[in-house]
Amino acid sequence: AQSVTQLDSQVPVFEEAPVELRCNYSSSVSVYLFWYVQYPNQGLQLLLKYLSGSTLVKGINGFEAEFNKSQTSFHLRKPSVHISDTAEYFCAVRLGGGSQGNLIFGKGTKLSVKP
Amino acid sequence: EAGVAQSPRYKIIEKRQSVAFWCNPISGHATLYWYQQILGQGPKLLIQFQNNGVVDDSQLPKDRFSAERLKGVDSTLKIQPAKLEDSAVYLCASSFRGFATDTQYFGPGTRLTVL
Repeated sequence: AQSVTQLDSQVPVFEEAPVELRCNYSSSVSVYLFWYVQYPNQGLQLLLKYLSGSTLVKGINGFEAEFNKSQTSFHLRKPSVHISDTAEYFCAVRLGGGSQGNLIFGKGTKLSVKP
Repeated sequence: EAGVAQSPRYKIIEKRQSVAFWCNPISGHATLYWYQQILGQGPKLLIQFQNNGVVDDSQLPKDRFSAERLKGVDSTLKIQPAKLEDSAVYLCASSFRGFATDTQYFGPGTRLTVL
């Protein structure tokens, strides 16, 4: 069965600094990978997803992520964060290849951007 | 385009009482999901509907939880009787076809507190 590990539960960073939120997954078959953001008292919103092709995926709000099959990682990056990026970020995995498998979420990383 | 609607937004009940949550997905979306998000964890799938049929309810505690989507549009999730450990945010999501590559769109959630 597939699983997702988000290595940091909290990441504090200063405004305009770069940030990387780490995600590792475990699966013996091909997967699709997703990053979602959750602002306080709101539902989850898709930032980006990797389905196939280029391993560098660009998403909304200036975020990007890189799929690394050999390291089974899908880290999320932003070169310069804003106060408004303060939120909780979830990495998720779903089985690929036409499977009907569920979306499995990590425990989340709380990004706190300080002025 | 209207998003996924959920009500109520907040609910406080005592243990052993019953409670129901309502979800209206994005118009035209065939697939509807209910997730449970316990504080400090990522969302966990409870049940998935394709139109008005159940695709996956393997993680639904069927002795106390039930869900229906009678006309293939809106859905209700019920807990009867509630336990303290049911305190969580209940998220509803929908997607166009339910394919693994599809984006899931989330509602704002219902925060349930069981006292």
